[in-house]
Amino acid sequence: DAGVIQSPRHEVTEMGQEVTLRCKPISGHDYLFWYRQTMMRGLELLIYFNNNVPIDDSGMPEDRFSAKMPNASFSTLKIQPSEPRDSAVYFCASSVGQVSDEQFFGPGTRLTVL
Amino acid sequence: GEDVEQSLFLSVREGDSSVINCTYTDSSSTYLYWYKQEPGAGLQLLTYIFSNMDMKQDQRLTVLLNKKDKHLSLRIADTQTGDSAIYFCAEMRGTYKYIFGTGTRLKVLA
Repeated sequence: DAGVIQSPRHEVTEMGQEVTLRCKPISGHDYLFWYRQTMMRGLELLIYFNNNVPIDDSGMPEDRFSAKMPNASFSTLKIQPSEPRDSAVYFCASSVGQVSDEQFFGPGTRLTVL
Repeated sequence: GEDVEQSLFLSVREGDSSVINCTYTDSSSTYLYWYKQEPGAGLQLLTYIFSNMDMKQDQRLTVLLNKKDKHLSLRIADTQTGDSAIYFCAEMRGTYKYIFGTGTRLKVLA
């Protein structure tokens, strides 16, 4: 298995532009998580899905952020419009669905908003 | 408070033991985890401990849990240069809401 796949690996954009981050979870995993990592705030859970349904989006910073999971093998995190303070590494993770199970993280997308 | 806290940095010599500490907040957390992040990569699960356990050993790793003080520690025996990374503890609040600590950057000196 290729593991969790994220694209792009790096994204540089200008303030005000729309940014779309993509994630392909491991096949058979029922849970998908989006995290944001910054030096100041550490690793924050933004939203997670169970069987393609958003369960908890309380970590999404504001209305500029949205996430979708149209099917079991694909999810997007969109920022519109982007701001410099959105610069961070965004991780996608997936897991099978047992409480003790490991979350498998993707390599992350490093976003820089100028 | 809301935060899971860890010291930011730890430096040890190769061959020594490393102890990374974590203070969590939710006494009802069922599982507590240790993850490792190498440069430019995502997090990888090292080990976890169920809340009714005091200790768990897995090869060079020993996890100690003090529920009364909400304190979790990770001991790495015979630390190697390949252990240099950022280590995160995490607790689960509710169902599947993982809260990660601030991370401890471990540097192993040859």
